[in-house]
Amino acid sequence: QQPVQSPQAVILREGEDAVINCSSSKALYSVHWYRQKHGEAPVFLMILLKGGEQKGHEKISASFNEKKQQSSLYLTASQLSYSGTYFCGTEGSTGFQKLVFGTGTRLLVSP
Amino acid sequence: DAGITQSPRHKVTETGTPVTLRCHQTENHRYMYWYRQDPGHGLRLIHYSYGVKDTDKGEVSDGYSVSRSKTEDFLLTLESATSSQTSVYFCASSISRDTGELFFGEGSRLTVL
Repeated sequence: QQPVQSPQAVILREGEDAVINCSSSKALYSVHWYRQKHGEAPVFLMILLKGGEQKGHEKISASFNEKKQQSSLYLTASQLSYSGTYFCGTEGSTGFQKLVFGTGTRLLVSP
Repeated sequence: DAGITQSPRHKVTETGTPVTLRCHQTENHRYMYWYRQDPGHGLRLIHYSYGVKDTDKGEVSDGYSVSRSKTEDFLLTLESATSSQTSVYFCASSISRDTGELFFGEGSRLTVL
């Protein structure tokens, strides 16, 4: 079952912040975040393993609340290059890496 | 970047014809995946492999089969293509579960008329 992402789309001005949420109905082993630009392949941003560890990548960070089966991606001081579609991918405790992706959040950063 | 390539990159075919998409990786990754991407649905897992000759179904496996006879190659076959299988297909590979990162190929755009 696909995780649910919100919002579906967001428009920002350069320098503003955004939060993208990902929620699953199943117990999770890990949550992945990817960004995809139009016409290109998805690119890995980060993985969060169960344990609630928060991670960071430049001005992009994420948290994982395994009790609530939720993850949030935080984009601070957004740049034009942040534009794209963000996908969360969730993995249950099957023993194999089998990612199920959400439907994506489209982010547009304007000057 | 991991060396993962897909072929063909673009294909137009007719309903009822068989189609095979090939994914080749040079990184000796254990796990390989086939996803399809459609507007409004994001990336949906078709099949995946956790080793040579070890494959399993994903969310949308009906109408698709896969084979993995070598670590580096993962083939996706549409035995009899239908218009509903028009999509962009992405192959991906990864080293291990905990390192996590999926390396995606460039995608294969398939149109079934």
